[in-house]
Amino acid sequence: ETGVTQTPRHLVMGMTNKKSLKCEQHLGHNAMYWYKQSAKKPLELMFVYNFKEQTENNSVPSRFSPECPNSSHLFLHLHTLQPEDSALYLCASSEGSGRASVTGELFFGEGSRLTVL
Amino acid sequence: GQNIDQPTEMTATEGAIVQINCTYQTSGFNGLFWYQQHAGEAPTFLSYNVLDGLEEKGRFSSFLSRSKGYSYLLLKELQMKDSASYLCAVLDSNYQLIWGAGTKLIIKP
Repeated sequence: ETGVTQTPRHLVMGMTNKKSLKCEQHLGHNAMYWYKQSAKKPLELMFVYNFKEQTENNSVPSRFSPECPNSSHLFLHLHTLQPEDSALYLCASSEGSGRASVTGELFFGEGSRLTVL
Repeated sequence: GQNIDQPTEMTATEGAIVQINCTYQTSGFNGLFWYQQHAGEAPTFLSYNVLDGLEEKGRFSSFLSRSKGYSYLLLKELQMKDSASYLCAVLDSNYQLIWGAGTKLIIKP
């Protein structure tokens, strides 16, 4: 138990569906992240939120839409995805991002395994 | 460009010692992390090195040489539960984490 909970753990969707991934952290952290993890590839940072404000968007396609209503919750809204978007989507949190992070240690959720048909 | 290199897969025997190497070329350096990720689970923090030398934490040790752009994770007295992927990541000058693709460690009895 890392203190970061992601739902759903598994999701299968068609290319025309709309779905959302949810992340909740119980650690009192101020920064939250979405990462994409594909087999045998480095983790790809997608979005960073610091104190509910989006501070990074790493050229992510608009079919991925993040939402951060408060410092404890983070969503990733998905629509008209492509099969190459199939991957494990990891949420993480830290005390702060960038220089505000003391050690940069991230606390990850177990991920949402997404399959796009 | 920025790059982190680590072996894709390694195999070791229960009770033995294994060293997982990580080399990096990044824009600046503000520390190097090792994370462990069991299949189907969240990556979890193992170690953080920002100064040269060896940091020991139980059966696990992490070494850093900034001049060589090199780190290794040393696992002693291997147990079956150490079968996992080990991720190396460097915090660059912009405090962005640059990740390696991970090393899958297989432990055999």
